[in-house]
Amino acid sequence: QQQVKQSPQSLIVQKGGISIINCAYENTAFDYFPWYQQFPGKGPALLIAIRPDVSEKKEGRFTISFNKSAKQFSLHIMDSQPGDSATYFCAASMFNALIFGKGTTLSVSS
Amino acid sequence: KAGVTQTPRYLIKTRGQQVTLSCSPISGHRSVSWYQQTPGQGLQFLFEYFSETQRNKGNFPGRFSGRQFSNSRSEMNVSTLELGDSALYLCASSLDRQDTEAFFGQGTRLTVV
Repeated sequence: QQQVKQSPQSLIVQKGGISIINCAYENTAFDYFPWYQQFPGKGPALLIAIRPDVSEKKEGRFTISFNKSAKQFSLHIMDSQPGDSATYFCAASMFNALIFGKGTTLSVSS
Repeated sequence: KAGVTQTPRYLIKTRGQQVTLSCSPISGHRSVSWYQQTPGQGLQFLFEYFSETQRNKGNFPGRFSGRQFSNSRSEMNVSTLELGDSALYLCASSLDRQDTEAFFGQGTRLTVV
């Protein structure tokens, strides 16, 4: 049973545009929601994370929006750049066990 | 500050063999988790170790096991390898068990032939 659903599977955005990736979770016991960025041949790198008592968190061009009642959260990448082209994973955590979404492959065209 | 170090980076094994992978966490981090990444199943949680004890386990068969040493370094072992065990095995370290940031290593690419 997939506990974290991520969409879309792939995304193409123009340079300077906004990239939006959505995730939904089922288990209300999750209490930590990170986003990871992964380049080919590398391990996932933590991008930004949020806890369920906060509705939004912004770090530079990256923003997480969190809707606890809907059990949904999303990543917004503002002013997307070609260097942002990578695979993005959302996750939900409980006691350091990360349950990942299936990933979104983002391509930013110049 | 050194990151998470996994060795070896690449490994080729034959069906039926066993394999041991190693992970050195970031200095001061006491929690080590292991994940399997495949194109079909994505990133899946294997288990977590803290203070030399397995604290959490994912839905994998008993062929997958691990341990943690007093210096927080961890190893995972897969016995009786199957073709389906071919994957990127990732280790992540965290400061403790309170859902703090998890930092991943570059992984060990295991190919079973």
